[in-house]
Amino acid sequence: QKEVEQNSGPLSVPEGAIASLNCTYSDRGSQSFFWYRQYSGKSPELIMFIYSNGDKEDGRFTAQLNKASQYVSLLIRDSQPSDSATYLCAVINYQLIWGAGTKLIIKP
Amino acid sequence: DAEITQSPRHKITETGRQVTLACHQTWNHNNMFWYRQDLGHGLRLIHYSYGVQDTNKGEVSDGYSVSRSNTEDLPLTLESAASSQTSVYFCASSESGTYGYTFGSGTRLTVV
Repeated sequence: QKEVEQNSGPLSVPEGAIASLNCTYSDRGSQSFFWYRQYSGKSPELIMFIYSNGDKEDGRFTAQLNKASQYVSLLIRDSQPSDSATYLCAVINYQLIWGAGTKLIIKP
Repeated sequence: DAEITQSPRHKITETGRQVTLACHQTWNHNNMFWYRQDLGHGLRLIHYSYGVQDTNKGEVSDGYSVSRSNTEDLPLTLESAASSQTSVYFCASSESGTYGYTFGSGTRLTVV
């Protein structure tokens, strides 16, 4: 069974620090990798996607992909209280497979 | 602006009743999906469609049905609502899998 694993957390990070969220996946054929943010009571919103090995940066967010080790991570620099949310990892081959999410808490 | 809308936002229904949740998107996306989200289970796929007249079962399709008569709409029907179907339901659409999904605001359904 194809799986995407995330630590459920909560992950507590001081304001201004770097938050590091990790995700591993089982399907070596996975082609695209996504990070979604979901605030409590809201719908998931796409914040980053990555296709190739290496890093992809967008503002304070950096997605890192290592296909050989089958993991993808999300770094949030200069963490803000507004970054407190659940972060969902999703990977796709023929279908999108979701992780259960990591709850991130940024402490002022 | 293009959007994906779900209605109603909240619904309370009785066990055994038929319920239909609406999903309408103006992105002109071919792919549409229905998920349910429960504590401890994350997002679980109920049904999906890759185009008009195409529908497919997801991992938790029992007790649910969908139909796709046009590009914009994918209504989800609970044939006979059960308390186990109390959940938050999300509709999503995508141009293709490589671009990720756009989600509606969700419908919170309570079956009493």
